[in-house]
Amino acid sequence: QKEVEQNSGPLSVPEGAIASLNCTYSDRGSQSFFWYRQYSGKSPELIMSIYSNGDKEDGRFTAQLNKASQYVSLLIRDSQPSDSATYLCAVNLYREGGGADGLTFGKGTHLIIQP
Amino acid sequence: GAVVSQHPSRVICKSGTSVKIECRSLDFQATTMFWYRQFPKQSLMLMATSNEGSKATYEQGVEKDKFLINHASLTLSTLTVTSAHPEDSSFYICSAGRDIYNEQFFGPGTRLTVL
Repeated sequence: QKEVEQNSGPLSVPEGAIASLNCTYSDRGSQSFFWYRQYSGKSPELIMSIYSNGDKEDGRFTAQLNKASQYVSLLIRDSQPSDSATYLCAVNLYREGGGADGLTFGKGTHLIIQP
Repeated sequence: GAVVSQHPSRVICKSGTSVKIECRSLDFQATTMFWYRQFPKQSLMLMATSNEGSKATYEQGVEKDKFLINHASLTLSTLTVTSAHPEDSSFYICSAGRDIYNEQFFGPGTRLTVL
């Protein structure tokens, strides 16, 4: 059973501060990890993808992956009110020989950036 | 790049009718597309994996005769909700995978309301 766990929040962070979002997953075979941002009533938007242990930075976003601990996180620096959204953690099991599984999503963390 | 379109964006229909939703990858070819469903205040749940030129793979609990999927080309997948009932009312979202890591990009979603 593939499971992805996130704290549902809400997580309230002052504008300009660092928002830290966490996610754990149960399937050790998971190979690809993604963070999506979803505004209310909209579809998810890909923010970050990470495939190997360590940090990956893209602008104000940093994804961190620790496969030994089955843990992935997202840091948002200089948080802006427009960052207020639900952040979904998703994992994918890559299959030998090709093919692809759908993503398994966590329930999401509701982030609120306070002006 | 990596744009996925979905049509229609909103559908209201009577119980018993069928509804067809189209999903297109506009700037890349997608061997595999995915269909998700999201109920209010819940996370995305994978319904089925759509493979170009072959039958779709459905997740447990999803009725394949009710949710017909056709992947006619590398850029088009369709989902038909047959004999829709009020409990089928939901937000249906498609995605297309782009690389071996299955980085997925989502369409804008279709909000289905069955009266």
